[in-house]
Amino acid sequence: DSGVTQTPKHLITATGQRVTLRCSPRSGDLSVYWYQQSLDQGLQFLIQYYNGEERAKGNILERFSAQQFPDLHSELNLSSLELGDSALYFCASSSGAGGETQYFGPGTRLLVL
Amino acid sequence: TQLLEQSPQFLSIQEGENLTVYCNSSSVFSSLQWYRQEPGEGPVLLVTVVTGGEVKKLKRLTFQFGDARKDSSLHITAAQPGDTGLYLCAGDTGGFKTIFGAGTRLFVKA
Repeated sequence: DSGVTQTPKHLITATGQRVTLRCSPRSGDLSVYWYQQSLDQGLQFLIQYYNGEERAKGNILERFSAQQFPDLHSELNLSSLELGDSALYFCASSSGAGGETQYFGPGTRLLVL
Repeated sequence: TQLLEQSPQFLSIQEGENLTVYCNSSSVFSSLQWYRQEPGEGPVLLVTVVTGGEVKKLKRLTFQFGDARKDSSLHITAAQPGDTGLYLCAGDTGGFKTIFGAGTRLFVKA
């Protein structure tokens, strides 16, 4: 158990809908990272938050947004969903502002029908 | 652009065989991590290596960090079906950034 929690574990929705994925980092960690992993692909970095502020941005679509709250949990919002958004979404956390070991949550499997 | 290249991309072997997978870059890393990811699960940290030339052992897994801290290898002795998974390496550039490789997908047949 990495100490990172993600909910929900599974999510099935329809095209055009909006969903919110939630992540709680390990106790004491200040950074949260979001990744997308499509079938049989590597991890695609989406975005990083550090202590409530956006720290780094990867290949995140404009339809996607995220935030980190004062209690350091984070939410990833996916809107106007398309079939191609079906994937595993992982959250990871680290202790500092970046460049440290990241610990991953169990992921949310999103299926868009 | 900083890249971490992992090879091979795919590896299918019989139980009991040995194997080595590689993680290479032209960049110098302050540290490097290896993760194993099973289907549908999150990546699980196996080891972090920090010092050039460092060798770490975890049961049948041996991890080595290159002297110049640009590359790393993972050697598995007497592979077992439970070793099946995606092996990811990740390098910390020292500039608050971590780069992930695309992974080596290992399948160990019983």
